[in-house]
Amino acid sequence: DGGITQSPKYLFRKEGQNVTLSCEQNLNHDAMYWYRQDPGQGLRLIYYSQIVNDFQKGDIAEGYSVSREKKESFPLTVTSAQKNPTAFYLCASSSRGGSANYGYTFGSGTRLTVV
Amino acid sequence: SQKIEQNSEALNIQEGKTATLTCNYTNYSPAYLQWYRQDPGRGPVFLLLIRENEKEKRKERLKVTFDTTLKQSLFHITASQPADSATYLCALEADSSYKLIFGSGTRLLVRP
Repeated sequence: DGGITQSPKYLFRKEGQNVTLSCEQNLNHDAMYWYRQDPGQGLRLIYYSQIVNDFQKGDIAEGYSVSREKKESFPLTVTSAQKNPTAFYLCASSSRGGSANYGYTFGSGTRLTVV
Repeated sequence: SQKIEQNSEALNIQEGKTATLTCNYTNYSPAYLQWYRQDPGRGPVFLLLIRENEKEKRKERLKVTFDTTLKQSLFHITASQPADSATYLCALEADSSYKLIFGSGTRLLVRP
């Protein structure tokens, strides 16, 4: 089955640690996206990539980094510079222009908690 | 400033009734608008897309309208069921980059 897989489902981070969230898709989608969702709030765009080896900052990129070395993979690193990282992180993908016809496909999310 | 607004209060209705959710936006001129369903602890699931030249779109018990003059989309679920209980998000493309901007969602509760 084609889909988008995020791991881990739950992640705990100590203060000052960097952590990496995994996102893998087998839908052959060109574009991938990372969103953050806080309780009772909408999704806010962190980073997005429309093609391999290229990515752009979204609205809240500070304290985060990404890479896009393979079409299938778009990992997100939450660095120690991110002061309030506790949130629900969602990865999505779409074909180029596909969001205009078929919407995004989302993963099941990673819940990150700072301990 | 650019905004997408959905009613933050939960909508509580009786099973069998029609649920109507509202999405308003300002300072955008989207070519299309999308609706997603999100269950607790899960990622959103795409439901429907409506283009600026379409007034109405239907899919089974779902109906979406899009009024570019009012800058508003309405999302209807007819003959609602308890299984329809979820949060519904609207989204639009902020520019021609294919990235979507999401509203904060409206929670729908359908009572048996």
